[in-house]
Amino acid sequence: EAGVTQSPRYAVLQEGQAVSFWCDPISGHDTLYWYQQPRDQGPQLLVYFRDEAVIDNSQLPSDRFSAVRPKGTNSTLKIQSAKQGDTATYLCASSFYWGGNTGQLYFGEGSKLTVL
Amino acid sequence: SQWGEENLQALSIQEGEDVTMNCSYKTYTTVVQWYRQKSGKGPALIILIRSNEREKRSGRLRATLDTSSQSSSLSITGTLATDTAVYFCATESSALGRLHFGAGTQLIVIP
Repeated sequence: EAGVTQSPRYAVLQEGQAVSFWCDPISGHDTLYWYQQPRDQGPQLLVYFRDEAVIDNSQLPSDRFSAVRPKGTNSTLKIQSAKQGDTATYLCASSFYWGGNTGQLYFGEGSKLTVL
Repeated sequence: SQWGEENLQALSIQEGEDVTMNCSYKTYTTVVQWYRQKSGKGPALIILIRSNEREKRSGRLRATLDTSSQSSSLSITGTLATDTAVYFCATESSALGRLHFGAGTQLIVIP
């Protein structure tokens, strides 16, 4: 079974440039998460979807970050006008929601962003 | 942090030694998940313990959960060089329905 796929693996930008990250979750997983992981820190939730609906985007810097999952499968996270503080690895994870606790999250390898 | 966290630390031990990592959280959680992240990879679940369990074992791994002190621990016995990784605990509140990750513990196992 294929795992969570993310692209690109690496991106290097100048401040002010835009970048998009793409995620293909595990087939059949209805829940998709985007986490930001700064160097030497734990993953921090940015946004998560159940099918195509946004469940929680309270931690997403809405002025420059946006995320969509239009058909409830693949997802794109976009950063407009990147800042040096956005330097981090962006992790996508998926899971299946069965109505109880959040189950196991399956993570992709991440997209490492460096903003110069 | 409002949620699960460990003191960010680095542990360096010799292969074959046992190690225990701790995690404390500040609000009620229904489950604690422990993840391992190897260099250049995403985190991967290694053990999950629910609020009605005090202990969970999986191979060389042992997790404990003390809901009264709001803490969890992860022990690895007979460490191997391949156990070198960052270990995170993640907690969840049913009110939020999402996992919050702690700061992580960097474990280096020297062969």
